[in-house]
Formats: sequence, C-alpha cells, structure tokens
Amino acid sequence: AQKVTQAQTEISVVEKEDVTLDCVYETRDTTYYLFWYKQPPSGELVFLIRRNSFDEQNEISGRYSWNFQKSTSSFNFTITASQVVDSAVYFCALSESGTASKLTFGTGTRLQVTL
Amino acid sequence: EPEVTQTPSHQVTQMGQEVILRCVPISNHLYFYWYRQILGQKVEFLVSFYNNEISEKSEIFDDQFSVERPDGSNFTLKIRSTKLEDSAMYFCASSALPSPDTQYFGPGTRLTVL
Repeated sequence: AQKVTQAQTEISVVEKEDVTLDCVYETRDTTYYLFWYKQPPSGELVFLIRRNSFDEQNEISGRYSWNFQKSTSSFNFTITASQVVDSAVYFCALSESGTASKLTFGTGTRLQVTL
Repeated sequence: EPEVTQTPSHQVTQMGQEVILRCVPISNHLYFYWYRQILGQKVEFLVSFYNNEISEKSEIFDDQFSVERPDGSNFTLKIRSTKLEDSAMYFCASSALPSPDTQYFGPGTRLTVL
C-alpha cells in the first residue's frame, strides 16, 4: 500500500525567508511518480511538479526547488525568498505505475507567509 | 491554456436527494478521475475512468456513487442518496497518457448536504 506523510501541519514564515516542506513516502513499487500540488485559499489544486522514481536529479524552477532522495524516501520542496502569494496548502502526492493510477495525497502543509 | 471545468461551483442539497456533479475534462485527455476533500482534510481518491469503464475505485466509492461520460465532453459523478458525510469539495481531474501522467484538476464543486 502506498502512503505519503507530511509531518508539518502548519508553517509560518516572514516574507523573504526560505522554507522547506517535507514529504516522506512509502511504496512497494520500483516505478512510481511523485507530485507537488498547491492549494491557494481559493481552493483549486495547482500542479507544481512531477518526478519519476528513476530521476533523482534535483530540480529548480525560479524560487522553487525540489530535493528527491530515494535513500530516505523523501521528496522535499523548498521555497526561496518566500512571498505572501506563496501562502497556501501544499500537498505531496504519490502515484504507482499502471493505467489511470490514482494519486495518494499527504495531509498537506499549510504555509503562511507574513510581511 | 486548456483547463478542466466543473459545474456547479457550489451545490446545496437535502439529505437523501440525488446530486450530479459535472466536469468537462481537457479536450484531448482520455483518463478521468474524481477526488474529494472533506473540509480541512486531505484529498482522497474516489474513482478513475478510462475507455468508458471504471479503472479503479476506492472504498469510499460505494453503490451510492456512479460515474458516466454521457457524451464526448462531459464526465459526471452522481450520488444517489446523499448523506451528511458526503459534504465535501469534489474535484475532477484528467490526464492525457496511460502511465501515471500529470493529473490536472478542476476548480472543484463544494457540496453541502443539509
């Protein structure tokens, strides 16, 4: 069975601080995919990134970066120089291989960025 | 940019009534999903659908739920006899490829059962 754990329920930072959101996953599959989604206060789910289990390269996109470590089953997300607009709930999710595979979400981390 | 749309944005119903939630997936996508999120909780998988069949369903997706693709564009979720605990945000998602591909989500329908 697959499982995603986001131990941080809520994080508060002051604008311009860096912040890392943790994600730990469990799966028996050797082929799997990891995702991060953002849920702003308006409620929609916005796709941020997808990684497959064979690609452990870290990725950077602007102020966002992701650190995938298979050895620790972690896929952490860092926001550099946080901004108020980053305030949202961030979900990590896992999908195993197979047709129309479901996403298993973590419980989410609520990030509050203040001035 | 193509997007998933859902209607209505908010549905209020009485317990025991039937509701139909509607979704229009991204036009060239072939795989469709429903998820729900009870207020303040995580997003939970309900059902996936491909080639006019259910591919997978969760324990939540019992006989009270059904899905349908009635035409070439819509994808619907029907709850036959709503319960108070069905109150949640329901998200539709779609993806293009068969292997775990990125699922793009609609804005959600907030269902309130009174």
